[in-house]
Amino acid sequence: AQSVTQPDIHITVSEGASLELRCNYSYGATPYLFWYVQSPGQGLQLLLKYFSGDTLVQGIKGFEAEFKRSQSSFNLRKPSVHWSDAAEYFCAVQVTGNQFYFGTGTSLTVIP
Amino acid sequence: NAGVTQTPKFRVLKTGQSMTLLCAQDMNHEYMYWYRQDPGMGLRLIHYSVGEGTTAKGEVPDGYNVSRLKKQNFLLGLESAAPSQTSVYFCASKWGWDGYTFGSGTRLTVV
Repeated sequence: AQSVTQPDIHITVSEGASLELRCNYSYGATPYLFWYVQSPGQGLQLLLKYFSGDTLVQGIKGFEAEFKRSQSSFNLRKPSVHWSDAAEYFCAVQVTGNQFYFGTGTSLTVIP
Repeated sequence: NAGVTQTPKFRVLKTGQSMTLLCAQDMNHEYMYWYRQDPGMGLRLIHYSVGEGTTAKGEVPDGYNVSRLKKQNFLLGLESAAPSQTSVYFCASKWGWDGYTFGSGTRLTVV
């Protein structure tokens, strides 16, 4: 069965430090890959997506993600975290037009 | 451009009461979805629609019904609310293989 794993339930980083959020998926072929961010009390906002081509994709708010086929991973990174980045982050995969699977999320706390 | 609008934003129901959540999108998206979000469980798909007049069951459809009479609207109904349906409900829409656009959610409490 298809699945999306975000192994880190909660991460704390200092403002200005670098960030990497992990995402692994289980699927036979390369799915479409997404990262979403959810601020408290808000809906999910699309950060970036990977369909094909260059395995390093740039998103909004200074985020990037790298697709590694050999590791079935799509990790999200940011070189320097800002206090406003504190939120819940969800990785998701789309394997058909209507089969969309979300990870359980990683909660990010940013320390001043 | 409003995107996806959900109403109401908050609601408290008594066990056994019924209610309808409304989702409206103005992006002419074919696909619409209802998810529920519970702590530690991520988002779980309740029902979805691939076009006007169509609906299909998702991962957790029991206790819910939906209708898509107009392309821009997707309604989620609870006929007899139960405490287990206390959750945050999100509507989303998309076009083709593109990512979702989410509404801001409805926080429902069933007492």
